[in-house]
Amino acid sequence: GQSLEQPSEVTAVEGAIVQINCTYQTSGFYGLSWYQQHDGGAPTFLSYNGLDGLEETGRFSSFLSRSDSYGYLLLQELQMKDSASYFCAPPGPGRRALTFGSGTRLQVQP
Amino acid sequence: DGGITQSPKYLFRKEGQNVTLSCEQNLNHDAMYWYRQDPGQGLRLIYYSQIVNDFQKGDIAEGYSVSREKKESFPLTVTSAQKNPTAFYLCASSPGLRGTYGYTFGSGTRLTVV
Repeated sequence: GQSLEQPSEVTAVEGAIVQINCTYQTSGFYGLSWYQQHDGGAPTFLSYNGLDGLEETGRFSSFLSRSDSYGYLLLQELQMKDSASYFCAPPGPGRRALTFGSGTRLQVQP
Repeated sequence: DGGITQSPKYLFRKEGQNVTLSCEQNLNHDAMYWYRQDPGQGLRLIYYSQIVNDFQKGDIAEGYSVSREKKESFPLTVTSAQKNPTAFYLCASSPGLRGTYGYTFGSGTRLTVV
């Protein structure tokens, strides 16, 4: 089976740093992806961690610890346009298609 | 430009009707997927296909059907057996299932039962 947990909402101010955590339980593990979705839009791919450690892509970084079944997305120098929902997504049981959590709604305030 | 196209953008269905949502990609991706999203919720997997002429049920396949006759196309039919079909439907494609290079999503179809 599989379970995913993310905070439902996070609020931060422009220019700040925010971390969105994701804990998972899945039989077998094959990496963790992160997606961003603006209201009314389609999800867009942000990052993928196949191994433990930090992956950096511009203002966004993603971390994975397989032994702790834990990952996080770090957003730096927050901008108003970062207000969106963020989803962590591991593959489903049996190396199946990605399973998406309920998402974390990030609200960036001036 | 390569991408994934869903049509129509909005669709209204009467009770008891079957409707088909279109999904076409020109990214040369092997894998394609259908997800359903309800307001304020995450994405739930309906069906996925790793290769032409093969597809697998996801977590909420009941009341839906798909076909994969061409690499580029993965249409979804919402049948009358789906009791609560009003939702946002998202199609995606990727080079492989694991998501290493990311899934590319279409812009979605909003289906409403009237």
